[in-house]
Amino acid sequence: AQSVTQLDSQVPVFEEAPVELRCNYSSSVSVYLFWYVQYPNQGLQLLLKYLSGSTLVKGINGFEAEFNKSQTSFHLRKPSVHISDTAEYFCAVSDSGGSNYKLTFGKGTLLTVNP
Amino acid sequence: NAGVTQTPKFQVLKTGQSMTLQCAQDMNHNSMYWYRQDPGMGLRLIYYSASEGTTDKGEVPNGYNVSRLNKREFSLRLESAAPSQTSVYFCASRVQGSTDTQYFGPGTRLTVL
Repeated sequence: AQSVTQLDSQVPVFEEAPVELRCNYSSSVSVYLFWYVQYPNQGLQLLLKYLSGSTLVKGINGFEAEFNKSQTSFHLRKPSVHISDTAEYFCAVSDSGGSNYKLTFGKGTLLTVNP
Repeated sequence: NAGVTQTPKFQVLKTGQSMTLQCAQDMNHNSMYWYRQDPGMGLRLIYYSASEGTTDKGEVPNGYNVSRLNKREFSLRLESAAPSQTSVYFCASRVQGSTDTQYFGPGTRLTVL
């Protein structure tokens, strides 16, 4: 079984500041890792994913994440945030060897970008 | 190409009433999923269907049933709604292969009084 821990439930930042949203996972097998974003009153949208290959993954809207197998982490970063980045962000993991690819989600991090 | 659609968008039920949440996808995906989202809990898997004709329990299946009607449609039924089932429900579908991305619908906000 896998689990995901998002270390911060809320992250307030000022516009144009850098941000890092932290995610750690636990799994006994190889995993795929995902970050999803949820804007207010909307569904989830994929930001980026790590399946294999380069450990630095670039996604939409200027976000990137780095897979660190030894630290079992997949932290999300953006060098300069905008007001429009205000949303809830979810880290998720799935078993790369499984046949059903069920996602296990973290509890979410609410990013609030202030002017 | 509408992606994943869900109906209704909002619903209010009284305790003990039943209802079915509908989900459809037009992306020819094999796998479909139902999640519930509660504040501070993230998304939790209720049921999933790896392919047409199969369904399996997820993390929180109690009080729910599902039907994979065909490849496009996957419905979630509450036979006797309880206040603990007040939540936002999301349907998702997944393309098999190298991307393994789940695509989500807009959600159904359900309140059980």
